[in-house]
Amino acid sequence: GAVVSQHPSWVICKSGTSVKIECRSLDFQATTMFWYRQFPKQSLMLMATSNEGSKATYEQGVEKDKFLINHASLTLSTLTVTSAHPEDSSFYICSASALRADFQETQYFGPGTRLLVL
Amino acid sequence: EDQVTQSPEALRLQEGESSSLNCSYTVSGLRGLFWYRQDPGKGPEFLFTLYSAGEEKEKERLKATLTKKESFLHITAPKPEDSATYLCAVQRYSGGGADGLTFGKGTHLIIQP
Repeated sequence: GAVVSQHPSWVICKSGTSVKIECRSLDFQATTMFWYRQFPKQSLMLMATSNEGSKATYEQGVEKDKFLINHASLTLSTLTVTSAHPEDSSFYICSASALRADFQETQYFGPGTRLLVL
Repeated sequence: EDQVTQSPEALRLQEGESSSLNCSYTVSGLRGLFWYRQDPGKGPEFLFTLYSAGEEKEKERLKATLTKKESFLHITAPKPEDSATYLCAVQRYSGGGADGLTFGKGTHLIIQP
């Protein structure tokens, strides 16, 4: 149980184009999903918190107009990188919050999406 | 600001050689401390959540412990398939719903046959 998928797994795009990344919870419903970014040999950095049916909450320093987040259902959140530039190249990972059998909340991560902007 | 520091950055062990990974943290109100395993090019795989000082959890060759300032991930008689980057993260208690995690940079563990 608690499987999270992401699509696509990797994408190459030209500078100035927009890219959409999907994050799905496959076998559970997630009212809250999170988006992280990871640069090579660095830790995961939280970008934003996505709540179903409401606006996302962005971390300090993350441009909300550049990284558009939509959480339209309890199993799907999308991240759109608008007008992508080479410095946006990174590994984007989503997570979904779920209750375990012991009723403790934890976060399960997707496999990640590698974005390369040329 | 929440901070997580992991040590060592890298660790190379012989198969069967037990050791411990350290995670020091500062957070204003700990809701949970998480351990994940990450293989190259993949998302983190959940291992443990610890909630209060003195708590311990075990899974196969791994055991996680927690104090008020740090957590240890003990690995007993490791095998080559235990090679991965081990990530520690904290979640702050905000009184509301689920919150995002603050991660350390990880410990890159290599187990040689």
